[in-house]
Amino acid sequence: QVQLVQSGAEVKKPGASVKVSCKASGYSSTSYALTWVRQAPGQGLEWMGWISGYNGNTNYAQNLQGRVTMTTDTSTSTDYMELRSLRSDDTAVYYCARGLLWFGEPRYFDYWGQGTLVTVSS
Amino acid sequence: EIVLTQSPGTLSLSPGERATLSCRASQSVSSNYLAWYQQKSGQAPRLLIYGASSRATGIPDRFSGTGSGTDFTLTISRLEPEDFAVYYCQQFGSSPSITFGQGTRLEIK
Repeated sequence: QVQLVQSGAEVKKPGASVKVSCKASGYSSTSYALTWVRQAPGQGLEWMGWISGYNGNTNYAQNLQGRVTMTTDTSTSTDYMELRSLRSDDTAVYYCARGLLWFGEPRYFDYWGQGTLVTVSS
Repeated sequence: EIVLTQSPGTLSLSPGERATLSCRASQSVSSNYLAWYQQKSGQAPRLLIYGASSRATGIPDRFSGTGSGTDFTLTISRLEPEDFAVYYCQQFGSSPSITFGQGTRLEIK
């Protein structure tokens, strides 16, 4: 069965970086993209970007350009999202989710990881 | 940027009643690119509807999606106790390629 298993909670200081992992199993990653979505406490969902499992192409949200990098380790079927120069308003639950590639891009997301809480605090 | 505005912000209904949730886009969205998600407290979102009207695998038929252009609707025909949650619409389009609505909270009256 399809599973996305994320790494555990992190506590970081302002200005530091965090790298969250998402290990996929149960499907062929070359047909899908892996997207990252975050949710600040009590707030809605914010799309961060995605990485194609077919060719490694990425597409990042404009407000995170330059601070976020998404990568894939195909040998372990694990995706990573690194966010740099952390601020207090980056405190959120970070989700990975699978999206079927349609003309090279994902349209919607059918399986989600369990979420990783990242807390940024001095 | 396409902005999705959901209404109402909170909907208070009783089990057995019909729920109608709205999602309005600031620009036309292709019907193929509109999805709905349910999120319960402390859980990841769950895909309900994709392509504006297609139910995802395992979703009961009391959930239905309609709409086109800038106006989309999620309807829950008869509310079950487990349906009380927050609902989000999501679109795919031009940059930024993916946006979510701010959510509608469906609460028990």
